[in-house]
Amino acid sequence: EIVLTQSPVTLSLSPGERATLSCRASQSISSDLAWYQQKPGQAPRLLIYDASNRATGIPARFSGSGSVTDFSLIISSLEPEDFAVYYCQQRSDWPITFGQGTKLEI
Amino acid sequence: EVHLSESGGGLVQPGGSLRLSCAASGFTFTNYAMTWVRQAPGKGLEWVSAIKGSGYSTFYADSVKGRFTISRDNSRKTVFLLMNSLRVEDSAVYYCAKGDNSGIYNWFDPWGQGTLVTVSS
Repeated sequence: EIVLTQSPVTLSLSPGERATLSCRASQSISSDLAWYQQKPGQAPRLLIYDASNRATGIPARFSGSGSVTDFSLIISSLEPEDFAVYYCQQRSDWPITFGQGTKLEI
Repeated sequence: EVHLSESGGGLVQPGGSLRLSCAASGFTFTNYAMTWVRQAPGKGLEWVSAIKGSGYSTFYADSVKGRFTISRDNSRKTVFLLMNSLRVEDSAVYYCAKGDNSGIYNWFDPWGQGTLVTVSS
């Protein structure tokens, strides 16, 4: 099973700042990585797939990068609605796995 | 617009059973795999089970294998999760999610609103 380790566990920033979230895979997953955002009481929402492609309707301030084992989600300038929990997910190998999440807080 | 709506959650005693349903609309249902993902209170996301678009192939996490059964009714655009021999550790919000292809290696978009399953005596 591929283990995804996200860091940091909690990230405290202010609106307007830049956020960088990391996800490291326990073995190579090429670019088979997605990022999801989850707000309290809501279902997760797909932000980024194939490591760097924004999903439909996702603002341009969200970007993804990385390959093989090291990946990043960057939010260029935080908006108040961006404070949430973010998960990475791999589909390179079975079973599909998620990271443990990074909480982005004010 | 693609929409998923889960139902069937509730309170059940350990060893009991529940059947969850997920009604889909807004896309060609048979072209996409469907997946169940769960989230225990205050915890992260755990992939549970998936079914290919055809319905002929199903897959399970080790934690539920032999106890849960996923199925789909393509005529009703609905996917089901039959959960038997429920344990306290199965308590979670269960989400259904649409895959991005008919196979099992998916991104998940969108997700339903979730249905809460509580296993307790």
